Amino acid sequence: KNEVEQSPQNLTAQEGEFITINCSYSVGISALHWLQQHPGGGIVSLFMLSSGKKKHGRLIATINIQEKHSSLHITASHPRDSAVYICAVIRVTGRRALTFGSGTRLQVQP
Amino acid sequence: DTGVSQNPRHKITKRGQNVTFRCDPISEHNRLYWYRQTLGQGPEFLTYFQNEAQLEKSRLLSDRFSAERPKGSFSTLEIQRTEQGDSAMYLCASSLGGGPYGYTFGSGTRLTVV
Repeated sequence: KNEVEQSPQNLTAQEGEFITINCSYSVGISALHWLQQHPGGGIVSLFMLSSGKKKHGRLIATINIQEKHSSLHITASHPRDSAVYICAVIRVTGRRALTFGSGTRLQVQP
Repeated sequence: DTGVSQNPRHKITKRGQNVTFRCDPISEHNRLYWYRQTLGQGPEFLTYFQNEAQLEKSRLLSDRFSAERPKGSFSTLEIQRTEQGDSAMYLCASSLGGGPYGYTFGSGTRLTVV
């Protein structure tokens, strides 16, 4: 079983819909990242969380440390939000590099 | 500083050839990471450096792979005797320190072994 699991793997939405992507992890972490990857490979960091909730524009990220779960929400989705969204964690012990989920491919249709 | 730079962006090579990729991190970042990403998957950890010291290597990094960061600045990743299974996107990232600090990623080098 992967240490970081994301759901769904693929998501298609209509423009304007509220979107939720989920991330569960099985190890103790010091931080969790949400990342966005567009076709061509470039990865952009959206959020880094160690507790609570963060908001940036139409994006909201939450984390529940006790439940080992995080969610990324997109309000009023737009076709330009189409990308792969990746959850990644930094473990408290062991490897200090990011451990990634397999990503959620989001397609927002006009 | 224009972020993390990776060269080349694309590399096509014949099986059995050696290839070398370069990563230039953000200048003040002391940590540098290499990841490999295959189609439809999240990135997998290969190795990371703190300054010039290579602190960890993944089991994915076979004897054909070697990485260096000689002066604690840029890094190179070399693959010897390439195999078709090495075809992937090779991503570099850098950070200031470890733990809950921000990471900056390069655009990656896409390797195709034919």
